[in-house]
Amino acid sequence: GAGVSQSPRYKVAKRGQDVALRCDPISGHVSLFWYQQALGQGPEFLTYFQNEAQLDKSGLPSDRFFAERPEGSVSTLKIQRTQQEDSAVYLCASSRPQGLARVPSTDTQYFGPGTRLTVL
Amino acid sequence: AQSVTQLGSHVSVSEGALVLLRCNYSSSVPPYLFWYVQYPNQGLQLLLKYTSAATLVKGINDFEAEFKKSETSFHLTQPSAHMSDAAEYFCATPRGGKLIFGQGTELSVKP
Repeated sequence: GAGVSQSPRYKVAKRGQDVALRCDPISGHVSLFWYQQALGQGPEFLTYFQNEAQLDKSGLPSDRFFAERPEGSVSTLKIQRTQQEDSAVYLCASSRPQGLARVPSTDTQYFGPGTRLTVL
Repeated sequence: AQSVTQLGSHVSVSEGALVLLRCNYSSSVPPYLFWYVQYPNQGLQLLLKYTSAATLVKGINDFEAEFKKSETSFHLTQPSAHMSDAAEYFCATPRGGKLIFGQGTELSVKP
C-alpha cells in the first residue's frame, strides 16, 4: 500500500520567503508528526496531531513555524520569513494508535521521504 | 526525562563482518526503544523495537538488538554486513508519543 508521501521533495527559498510543506499520511492513520533533521543530526520533534487536533507543538522553534491538519488527514507545515538556520530536512511520520485515548508510545511511526529545504 | 546516546558517529566494517552499533538510554523506568535506518535521500524505516516483551529483539534484514538493563544499553548487531546495509542508523525512545532520537551512526561497508 501507499506510504507517507511528502511534497515537494526539494525546496530552495530565498531568505525571507514563506514556504509550505505538505504531508500525506498513510490512509487511516490518526497520529501525524513533524520532525526537523539538520545535516548530520538526528531528527528533532516539531509538532504532533491526533486527527485534526494539534496536541503538542512544543518543538516548533519559533512563531514563524505553523502547522495545520484541518480535516485530520493531509498536513501542511508552513514557515514564514525563512532564515538560513531553517535549512534542514523536514520529515513527516504517521501512526495508528491501538487506542485513541492513550499516549501512543509504542506505535510504529512510518516516515515519509522528507522535504529538503535550503534557504539561501 | 528519557533520552538515548549513540556512541560513535561513524562505523566502518568489511563485507561479511559483524556489525555493532551502540545505543545507551537514560531513563528512570524501563523504556521503550527503537532502531531506525535511513538510506540516502530516504525517510526512516523501522528496524526493530523493544516494548518490554523480550530482551532480545529481532528485526528486518537479520538485525537484532538486546536490551540490557544492567548496562542501560540497546546495542544493534548484524552478524554479516552487506554492502546494502550502508546507511545511517538511529536509536530512539518515545517521550509522550514523540520520538527522541540519538545523533545517529553512519555505517560504511567496505568490499
